[in-house]
Amino acid sequence: KNEVEQSPQNLTAQEGEFITINCSYSVGISALHWLQQHPGGGIVSLFMLSSGKKKHGRLIATINIQEKHSSLHITASHPRDSAVYICAVNSGGSNYKLTFGKGTLLTVNP
Amino acid sequence: KAGVTQTPRYLIKTRGQQVTLSCSPISGHRSVSWYQQTPGQGLQFLFEYFSETQRNKGNFPGRFSGRQFSNSRSEMNVSTLELGDSALYLCASSFNGQNGYTFGSGTRLTVV
Repeated sequence: KNEVEQSPQNLTAQEGEFITINCSYSVGISALHWLQQHPGGGIVSLFMLSSGKKKHGRLIATINIQEKHSSLHITASHPRDSAVYICAVNSGGSNYKLTFGKGTLLTVNP
Repeated sequence: KAGVTQTPRYLIKTRGQQVTLSCSPISGHRSVSWYQQTPGQGLQFLFEYFSETQRNKGNFPGRFSGRQFSNSRSEMNVSTLELGDSALYLCASSFNGQNGYTFGSGTRLTVV
């Protein structure tokens, strides 16, 4: 079983829909990251969370440490949101590495 | 402020050759980590350097190595290339290795 599980693997939505991507992890973490990767490979860090909730524009990320679960929400989705969204965690302590989920391919149709 | 710069962007090598990839972090960032991305395995951690010291290494064979210089620039080397080493290699820099990662655009390596 992977340390970081994402669902769904693929998601197709119509423009304007509310999107939710889920991430569950099985290890103790110091932080959880949501990343966005567009075709061509470049990765952009969207959020880093250790507790609670963060919002940036139409994107909202939440984390529940007790349940070891995080969600990324996109409100009023737009075709430019089409990308792969990746959840990654820093395991706590001196483990200076990221462990990644397999990613969620989001396609938003106009 | 300048982002994370990876060179070269694309590389084609023959099996058995070796390759060196470079990563220049954001000014002030002392941690550089390296990742391999393939369609089958996704993103996997290779190693992380902080102030010229390797602090963590992923589960890759010894053919994969790296180093970091005093100016925080980092290089990774893959020797005796195999077809399976074809991948996108990404580096990321951060201030301390745990927070606020900035990724480079990657080097796409093709081994033929």
